[in-house]
Amino acid sequence: AQTVTQSQPEMSVQEAETVTLSCTYDTSENNYYLFWYKQPPSRQMILVIRQEAYKQQNATENRFSVNFQKAAKSFSLKISDSQLGDTAMYFCAGPQGGSEKLVFGKGTKLTVNP
Amino acid sequence: NAGVMQNPRHLVRRRGQEARLRCSPMKGHSHVYWYRQLPEEGLKFMVYLQKENIIDESGMPKERFSAEFPKEGPSILRIQQVVRGDSAAYFCASSLIDYSEQYFGPGTRLTVT
Repeated sequence: AQTVTQSQPEMSVQEAETVTLSCTYDTSENNYYLFWYKQPPSRQMILVIRQEAYKQQNATENRFSVNFQKAAKSFSLKISDSQLGDTAMYFCAGPQGGSEKLVFGKGTKLTVNP
Repeated sequence: NAGVMQNPRHLVRRRGQEARLRCSPMKGHSHVYWYRQLPEEGLKFMVYLQKENIIDESGMPKERFSAEFPKEGPSILRIQQVVRGDSAAYFCASSLIDYSEQYFGPGTRLTVT
């Protein structure tokens, strides 16, 4: 992805509810990977989920799933049954061109309220 | 299996001093990446290394910054003659093979006074 755009600087959700974080990207590649990373207050970058562009099936990891729309270059993250520990910055990332380096969006700050 | 390790976690340097940041990749990983995160920003790619080789340094400032990943030992990101604008969090990531997911270390927060 040459550019990655996260249009929601901040979002909040009530505990146990579902929230969707948006991400769009731009790339001329046909085969690539997309990632969502979580950065809690500890600042550690934690891999949440990975999507391979050649796979039509949306990736799922427990309460986290993606809605990958390749034609629209959209890669949103859905968090179900939100927990207080989900409070963090969430970054969408994709490879730059055909290289291994990642391009990150500016992030969405998610707050889960009790 | 230990994760990616970085040290120090916090580093304070005066303007003009040198900063050395260390990164030990996950066991078995031979690909190392360095990223910089400025306040309120996403991560920006700096350099990609494999053992004894710099593969891509297109994100590195042309002056004062260098990186290495020797045959033995950790990867080192070196910043000479630091300036206030170098204050940031520096993250190292490693991957098993190319084009696979990158696992990040806890980062080094550099403060230049």
